[in-house]
Amino acid sequence: EPEVTQTPSHQVTQMGQEVILRCVPISNHLYFYWYRQILGQKVEFLVSFYNNEISEKSEIFDDQFSVERPDGSNFTLKIRSTKLEDSAMYFCASSAQGEQFFGPGTRLTVL
Amino acid sequence: GQNIDQPTEMTATEGAIVQINCTYQTSGFNGLFWYQQHAGEAPTFLSYNVLDGLEEKGRFSSFLSRSKGYSYLLLKELQMKDSASYLCAVTTDSWGKLQFGAGTQVVVTP
Repeated sequence: EPEVTQTPSHQVTQMGQEVILRCVPISNHLYFYWYRQILGQKVEFLVSFYNNEISEKSEIFDDQFSVERPDGSNFTLKIRSTKLEDSAMYFCASSAQGEQFFGPGTRLTVL
Repeated sequence: GQNIDQPTEMTATEGAIVQINCTYQTSGFNGLFWYQQHAGEAPTFLSYNVLDGLEEKGRFSSFLSRSKGYSYLLLKELQMKDSASYLCAVTTDSWGKLQFGAGTQVVVTP
C-alpha cells in the first residue's frame, strides 16, 4: 500500500539554525500539506501546496518558513532560523481527493 | 472564528461501545473527517462525512448533521488497541486544509 514517508524521524538543532524537513508524498497525489503538533496540543495547519505553488498558508507560516517541491517526488519544509517554540512534530500529508494521508512525522527539537 | 469542540477524555470497558461527539462552527463546510492518533504517531484516517447521515465501516461508524454542526464517531466492540486519541477535523473546500479539534483521548480498560 502506498504511503507518505518523511525524513529524518527526529531532528535536534540549535536555536537560530536552519532545518529542512523532507517528505515523499504518495506518487499520484497532487495536493500536499504540512501540519505541526506541539506536544500535548492539537494538530495545526501550516501550508498547502498545489501545482507548484502555495495554495494557502496559516498565520504560523511566516517568513521563516518556506516549502519547495525540488523534483517530481520530494516536498520539503525549510525553517530558516529556528526558535525554541518551533519544537514540535511536523507532519506531511498528501491527497488525491478528499482524504489526506499523513506521513509518520519528524520530531523537531530546538535547543 | 473557527471552533471545533470535542470532549477531552472518555473511558470505556473492552467490548463496550463509545460515542465521541464533535461540534463545529466554521466559515463554510465541505466535509468532516475522523482520524485516530496513537501517542507519538501520525493521524490515520477513519471516516469522512460530507452529507447528513450515518457512514458505517466495520466497528466504526460516523454520523453528520450539517444543520446542527454536529458529528459523532461510534466505536463498537471496543478492543484494547482502540485506546488512542480521536481527532475530529473539518475542511471548508475540496482539497483545503483540515482544521482539527483538540482530540478525545479514549481509554479502554479490561
